Amino acid sequence: QVQLQESGPGLVKASETLSLTCTVSEYSINSPYYWDWIRQPPGKGLEWLGSIYESGSAYYNPSLNSRISMSIDTSANQFSLKLRSVTAADTAVYYCARREPSGGFDYWGQGALVTVSA
Amino acid sequence: AIQLTQSPSSLSASVGDRVSITCRASQGISTALAWYQQKPGKPPKFLIYDASTLEEGVPSTFSGSGSGTDFTLTISSLQPEDFATYYCQQFKSYPITFGQGTRLEIK
Repeated sequence: QVQLQESGPGLVKASETLSLTCTVSEYSINSPYYWDWIRQPPGKGLEWLGSIYESGSAYYNPSLNSRISMSIDTSANQFSLKLRSVTAADTAVYYCARREPSGGFDYWGQGALVTVSA
Repeated sequence: AIQLTQSPSSLSASVGDRVSITCRASQGISTALAWYQQKPGKPPKFLIYDASTLEEGVPSTFSGSGSGTDFTLTISSLQPEDFATYYCQQFKSYPITFGQGTRLEIK
């Protein structure tokens, strides 16, 4: 059973950089799947942030205005998210997920709440 | 970006009812659509992909249909565990987008 687990600081100061890592277990990240980040502000809907492939090629949501970057470490079976210049609007539960070739997200982490403080 | 609009935004129903949720795309997406179920404090659960294919382990009371711009998720006989929020998601083109969600509540 594929497992994903987000880790990182739960509190980030405004204007600083949010950094999260997703550790994948029971499955090699070096495989033909995309590895994605999705977030959900408290009480709101889902927003796709970006995808990264095993090769390191990535796609980002243009709504983030180039504040986002993702990386992948196949040796550690992890992928990571960095979001720069955060504001209160970036407060959310951040999920990492595996996206299968059909395009759907079949495995998700439990989510990590990140709060941006003033 | 392709916008997805779900209707209704919320819905009250009883155990045993048949309910449908619609998802309309702002442009044609063929069948590149998935559906998810989310319960409070949990990540979304993958239900359907390619608009109508049930993910393994999903009860057959769930079904999906549609292509192009109009899609429907139907639950043929509501069970107590089905009360949750449902989201559609398109993967026809980047950025990947989700509908705003439909909250299904017990009447």
